[in-house]
Amino acid sequence: GESVGLHLPTLSVQEGDNSIINCAYSNSASDYFIWYKQESGKGPQFIIDIRSNMDKRQGQRVTVLLNKTVKHLSLQIAATQPGDSAVYFCAENSLDTGKLIFGQGTTLQVKP
Amino acid sequence: ETGVTQTPRHLVMGMTNKKSLKCEQHLGHNAMYWYKQSAKKPLELMFVYSLEERVENNSVPSRFSPECPNSSHLFLHLHTLQPEDSALYLCASSQTANYGYTFGSGTRLTVV
Repeated sequence: GESVGLHLPTLSVQEGDNSIINCAYSNSASDYFIWYKQESGKGPQFIIDIRSNMDKRQGQRVTVLLNKTVKHLSLQIAATQPGDSAVYFCAENSLDTGKLIFGQGTTLQVKP
Repeated sequence: ETGVTQTPRHLVMGMTNKKSLKCEQHLGHNAMYWYKQSAKKPLELMFVYSLEERVENNSVPSRFSPECPNSSHLFLHLHTLQPEDSALYLCASSQTANYGYTFGSGTRLTVV
């Protein structure tokens, strides 16, 4: 099933279901957003990005949605697989700071 | 391999030791970063180097000393660390500050 709402530290889904991971960002001047996936023992890996002139971008099985009005970012994973189990981080970047700032991670657990 | 290599993968050091972490990238990126990742906390930016010059020192204690001898290499020199400095230290690089970062796998540091 899907889970939509405020940031959750942990999200548990059944294999094959869709997952939605949410993130709230802080800087209204941020113009570039990224989702990273971090598996145990590894560094964060790029999943998908979106610039502020877009509100939706699709990749392979993943979709990022950006709502600038409420400063909200979400990552949708279709047909979640066991290999999707990891910690997911959103990150924001802005021209005025030039720094990538990370949010709290969400641990995605996929139940077989 | 992501293109950013960190060594060592694991390090245990005493509080009086001096050690160095190494990061190497051959992606042709212009900027390199050190992040600290502690349990249940967002990634904390420590240092930023752009074109081999330090452009950011995020209030990091002087017991951490970065060095960027060229655009492909970044070091983090450690001395007289405290147990609370135990964490995963991640290196990243990017083409510019407004692009996504490529992370290494990190060095898991334990201070005893």
